[in-house]
Amino acid sequence: QWLLQESGPGLMKPSETLSLTCSVSGGSLRSDSYYWGWVRQPPGKSLEWIASITYSGTTFYNPSLRNRVTLSIETSRKQFSLRLGSVTAADTALYFCARYHVDFFFDYWGQGSLVTISS
Amino acid sequence: QSVLTQPPSASGTPGQRVVISCSGSNSNIGSNFIFWYQQLPGAAPKPLIQMNNRRPSGVPDRFSASKSGTSTSLAIDGLRSEDEADYYCASWDDRVKGPVFGAGTKLTVL
Repeated sequence: QWLLQESGPGLMKPSETLSLTCSVSGGSLRSDSYYWGWVRQPPGKSLEWIASITYSGTTFYNPSLRNRVTLSIETSRKQFSLRLGSVTAADTALYFCARYHVDFFFDYWGQGSLVTISS
Repeated sequence: QSVLTQPPSASGTPGQRVVISCSGSNSNIGSNFIFWYQQLPGAAPKPLIQMNNRRPSGVPDRFSASKSGTSTSLAIDGLRSEDEADYYCASWDDRVKGPVFGAGTKLTVL
């Protein structure tokens, strides 16, 4: 059974850089059948894809966030990470890590990590 | 603002059939598979429908979807109280070059 778990700061100040890590259990990250991604959900709002990464480190970014986002992956540690720079209150959201099947859907999700940006 | 358009709310009584619509464009629904996710209160989304109308293991056959042009619909037959949740349509978008989601529809079972 695949399990994904996000870890993050909780509360941050504007202009700081958000760092989130997703720890994966239940299998290897090294597969051509999956990518690893991040989706966020502002309070009371819809879902927004942020970015995805393959096990070999190829990245795909949402154009709306591309200039502020960096993804990385450490297959040996079974972790992948998100960095989002210059955060503002608009980045306040529940951040989910998820496994992205190559058939174009997220099939396993973490429980989410709430990140609040406030001065 | 979400790329795909959904009604904000829907409702029905137990046993009824409810249909939730979702509209997009030629760059997403019109040329790619559609997916539906169910998000129960306080939980992460889970896939409900994949690749237009395939149900992942464990999803009851009360849930079905259809696609026509740049629109899709999710139908729930025999509505049950445990179906009360937020429902999101999704598709690959050729312009974003990534997945896009609908605004979400909150389903209330009366």
